[in-house]
Amino acid sequence: QKEVEQNSGPLSVPEGAIASLNCTYSDRGSQSFFWYRQYSGKSPELIMSIYSNGDKEDGRFTAQLNKASQYVSLLIRDSQPSDSATYLCAVNPPGGNEKLTFGTGTRLTIIP
Amino acid sequence: DAGVIQSPRHEVTEMGQEVTLRCKPISGHNSLFWYRQTMMRGLELLIYFNNNVPIDDSGMPEDRFSAKMPNASFSTLKIQPSEPRDSAVYFCASSPGGETQYFGPGTRLLVL
Repeated sequence: QKEVEQNSGPLSVPEGAIASLNCTYSDRGSQSFFWYRQYSGKSPELIMSIYSNGDKEDGRFTAQLNKASQYVSLLIRDSQPSDSATYLCAVNPPGGNEKLTFGTGTRLTIIP
Repeated sequence: DAGVIQSPRHEVTEMGQEVTLRCKPISGHNSLFWYRQTMMRGLELLIYFNNNVPIDDSGMPEDRFSAKMPNASFSTLKIQPSEPRDSAVYFCASSPGGETQYFGPGTRLLVL
């Protein structure tokens, strides 16, 4: 089992709709979770971090964490074509210091 | 402030040659990470340094890979000898502490 799993997609969502991206992780002791966005040919950039169960909202983005189910998700409301990118889920495993384990990413396409 | 700087941005070399990738972290950041990204394996951590000291090199694929951080503003990743399977995008990232990592633009390596 991979440490961090994501559906590779591609996920296609109409403009203006909600895009839902999902991630599961294997190490139950993980405490910190991150979503990075990566445009084609560019480097990853951090868009959200979450540490506690529940929802965390930042503008059009909402991160959701359920540690019991070992599940973290990212919702993008009012999707825009500029949201088209690959979204990487990252987890800081217990005892990993600052080390992050990344999923392979979900490619999202927003259809105008 | 300048972000993480990597050089070269592109490198094409022949199998068996030595390759040296360079990274200048963001000033004041005390952690530095080297990643490799491929379509098949995604983003993999190779090694990370804290205060110029290697903390975790468990991701370094084999003895052909080596990394150094002689001071707080410079790091190198060396591959000797290079092989076609080393072809990938290599990212350097730095962190001020905690888990937020800032990625450089990457070096695209092609080994023929």
